[in-house]
Amino acid sequence: DAGVIQSPRHEVTEMGQEVTLRCKPISGHNSLFWYRQTMMRGLELLIYFNNNVPIDDSGMPEDRFSAKMPNASFSTLKIQPSEPRDSAVYFCASTPGTLGRETQYFGPGTRLLVL
Amino acid sequence: SQQGEEDPQALSIQEGENATMNCSYKTSINNLQWYRQNSGRGLVHLILIRSNEREKHSGRLRVTLDTSKKSSSLLITASRAADTASYFCAYNAGNMLTFGGGTRLMVKP
Repeated sequence: DAGVIQSPRHEVTEMGQEVTLRCKPISGHNSLFWYRQTMMRGLELLIYFNNNVPIDDSGMPEDRFSAKMPNASFSTLKIQPSEPRDSAVYFCASTPGTLGRETQYFGPGTRLLVL
Repeated sequence: SQQGEEDPQALSIQEGENATMNCSYKTSINNLQWYRQNSGRGLVHLILIRSNEREKHSGRLRVTLDTSKKSSSLLITASRAADTASYFCAYNAGNMLTFGGGTRLMVKP
């Protein structure tokens, strides 16, 4: 299996621009998570999908952030408009079952820099 | 979502020595997991210990769990330079994982 795939791996954009991050979970996995990692705040859960349905988006910082999972093999995290404080590494992770407390399989991350 | 605390935040040892990292948490849990993150990479799952287990081994890794003290430790024996990475504990607060702040381990050759 190829593991969790994320694209792009690196993104540099200017403040105010729209940013779309993409994730392909491991085939057959039923849950998908989006995390953000920064030096100051560590690893933060943004949103969690179970069978393509958003279960908990309480970690989404504000309305500028949105996430979708149109099917079992694809999810997007969109930031519009982007701000310099959004600069971070964004990880996608998936698990086989429907419980978030199971072992999670992480993608390589997208390193976002907003100028 | 950082409700776990890891200690120490950074650890530097010589190759061949043992490395011990500790994790404390605040809630009741079903399991506690340890992950490793190499620089510039995603997290990789190392080991999971359930709340009814006290100790678990995997190769050079030994994990202990003390639910009465709400703490866990990860021991890496006979460390190697390739063990240099950040190590995170993660425990379930409800139905999701909460990650600690991590311990940065450097193993000098």
